[in-house]
Amino acid sequence: GAVVSQHPSRVICKSGTSVKIECRSLDFQATTMFWYRQFPKQSLMLMATSNEGSKATYEQGVEKDKFLINHASLTLSTLTVTSAHPEDSSFYICSARGFGGAETQYFGPGTRLLVL
Amino acid sequence: DQQVKQNSPSLSVQEGRISILNCDYTNSMFDYFLWYKKYPAEGPTFLISISSIKDKNEDGRFTVFLNKSAKHLSLHIVPSQPGDSAVYFCAASAGGTSYGKLTFGQGTILTVHP
Repeated sequence: GAVVSQHPSRVICKSGTSVKIECRSLDFQATTMFWYRQFPKQSLMLMATSNEGSKATYEQGVEKDKFLINHASLTLSTLTVTSAHPEDSSFYICSARGFGGAETQYFGPGTRLLVL
Repeated sequence: DQQVKQNSPSLSVQEGRISILNCDYTNSMFDYFLWYKKYPAEGPTFLISISSIKDKNEDGRFTVFLNKSAKHLSLHIVPSQPGDSAVYFCAASAGGTSYGKLTFGQGTILTVHP
């Protein structure tokens, strides 16, 4: 299947700093990328949807100024957690969808963020 | 409001037997359902899907059943193998402006014993 990478896989930062997570589709062009967040023993919660070259669409309750999403190209989207706080500690997963249906959505391996 | 629920956090099955993973949903707008498999430190990988116009879809050892009236779907794995041990997520998608957005259940940890 298609490959989606995320970098970094794990990051520890101090409270108040900003953290950038990259999501890349390695062997296909992603028309749409999605960002999810997963708390322990809970489901993946969709945070936002981004289309290349346009502003991201955020789900209800997700602060767009807190979680900045940039989808600069068909193979790269970034999520920046600004002024991170301990409650932002979580597992963040991106997915990328090509020119197909929902089953063509491929997930990255995730990024574990720990804010001290 | 959990629109997709997997009420069994875990399931343990003997190798060769059938594994049945269940999923319930509440949103009647969902018209496409998917199952994902996830290993530790990896992202979910697509396993099998079913459209709401069908009640069954089969792919090798994996079969998904959909009961729209009960808003329930299940994944059957026959025969189960130790390599099937993973976390299984069901997910649902609606058409229209929600196309492509997936709503996930909490996941079920499947352990297949040799």
